Amino acid sequence: QVQLVQSGAEVKRPGSSVKVSCKTSAGTFKNFAISWVRQAPGQGLEWMGGFIPIFGPAIYTEKFQDRVTITADESATTAFLELRGLTSDDTAIYYCARTTCCPFNAFDLWGQGTLVTVSS
Amino acid sequence: QSALTQPASVSGSPGQSITISCTGTSSDVGGYTYVSWYQHYPGKAPQLIVFDVNKRPSGVPNRFSGSKSGDTASLTISGLQADDEADYYCTSYTDSSTLVFGTGTKVTVL
Repeated sequence: QVQLVQSGAEVKRPGSSVKVSCKTSAGTFKNFAISWVRQAPGQGLEWMGGFIPIFGPAIYTEKFQDRVTITADESATTAFLELRGLTSDDTAIYYCARTTCCPFNAFDLWGQGTLVTVSS
Repeated sequence: QSALTQPASVSGSPGQSITISCTGTSSDVGGYTYVSWYQHYPGKAPQLIVFDVNKRPSGVPNRFSGSKSGDTASLTISGLQADDEADYYCTSYTDSSTLVFGTGTKVTVL
């Protein structure tokens, strides 16, 4: 059974950047999209953006347009989320999710989540 | 892009049916059939339970059903069970080529 395995928890200082990875246990992302979703404490789920390796550049929500980069390695087996200019509001659990496409549609497989804590 | 609107909470007794609404606009829910629903237990990854408005992934009980009318999508859980107590979120594709979540609904089984 295919799994998405994310990197471990991170503690970051305000103003710094974080890069979270998401590796598929089998196959590649080439025929799928990968999305990143976050949940801040006490808040709901929030789609940050998505990436379809065979189609090129990622698409981001306006809120994250200037601070987020979503990429994948050349083998399309590991996806990455980089978030820059961290503030305490970015403290959240970050999930990668395989996303049916195209266009972006449903999240049919999720990673286990990565807790990012931003604190001075 | 604003979040889709869901009721904050819905409750029901075991065996009853409940319905969760998800209201958007013609630029998202009303304009596309790419509406999905997720069940989310705190501390665990969300799980897809409905996609394309009314389709269920393999393994999801037929107690969960989805529908849409105009700008509002709905998830109905029939034969409510104790382990249905969780948070539920809708999503929709949008005119901006993005996805947007609903505000989330906490389901309580009385």
